[in-house]
Amino acid sequence: KQEVTQIPAALSVPEGENLVLNCSFTDSAIYNLQWFRQDPGKGLTSLLLIQSSQREQTSGRLNASLDKSSGRSTLYIAASQPGDSATYLCAVPSGATNKLIFGTGTLLAVQP
Amino acid sequence: DGGITQSPKYLFRKEGQNVTLSCEQNLNHDAMYWYRQDPGQGLRLIYYSQIVNDFQKGDIAEGYSVSREKKESFPLTVTSAQKNPTAFYLCASSIDSLSSYEQYFGPGTRLTVT
Repeated sequence: KQEVTQIPAALSVPEGENLVLNCSFTDSAIYNLQWFRQDPGKGLTSLLLIQSSQREQTSGRLNASLDKSSGRSTLYIAASQPGDSATYLCAVPSGATNKLIFGTGTLLAVQP
Repeated sequence: DGGITQSPKYLFRKEGQNVTLSCEQNLNHDAMYWYRQDPGQGLRLIYYSQIVNDFQKGDIAEGYSVSREKKESFPLTVTSAQKNPTAFYLCASSIDSLSSYEQYFGPGTRLTVT
């Protein structure tokens, strides 16, 4: 059964720092991995989707990498800003369908 | 603007009452999903629908029911049989139910049952 873990559960950094969020999964036979952002009391915003054939995806200051063989993905945030403060979630599909299995998230606080 | 809408944003009900949460999308997506989020836990799948007039149970379907009579709409009913209904409910959609497609989420409905 696929399990997704995110470490750390919470992270506090000063503004301007580069940071890395980690996501690991137990079954490496995934089709893709998706990173989301969630602000308090809000829905999820899709940040990046990495297909299994890709090693990384970039969007602005965000870069996500995928290493299927080791069951890991990282989300790199460059030059962090207070507006980046949110919970970041990673998710992988269950088998061939798009039923997502989520990690419990990393709560990020960027201090001005 | 294309997107997913959920209503209401907050919902309060007395124990023993059924309640229906609305989810509408204008993205022309075939697949729709309902997830539940509890504090300290990841999102868990309640039900999903791959196409109109079809739906399947997810990991925690007990005490819930759904319908998919229109492509745009996928309402979720929380019945009195659901033992712990208080939670944040999120609806999502994707082009279809294959794993290669990105999933988009609505703003959520927070249900409180007392």
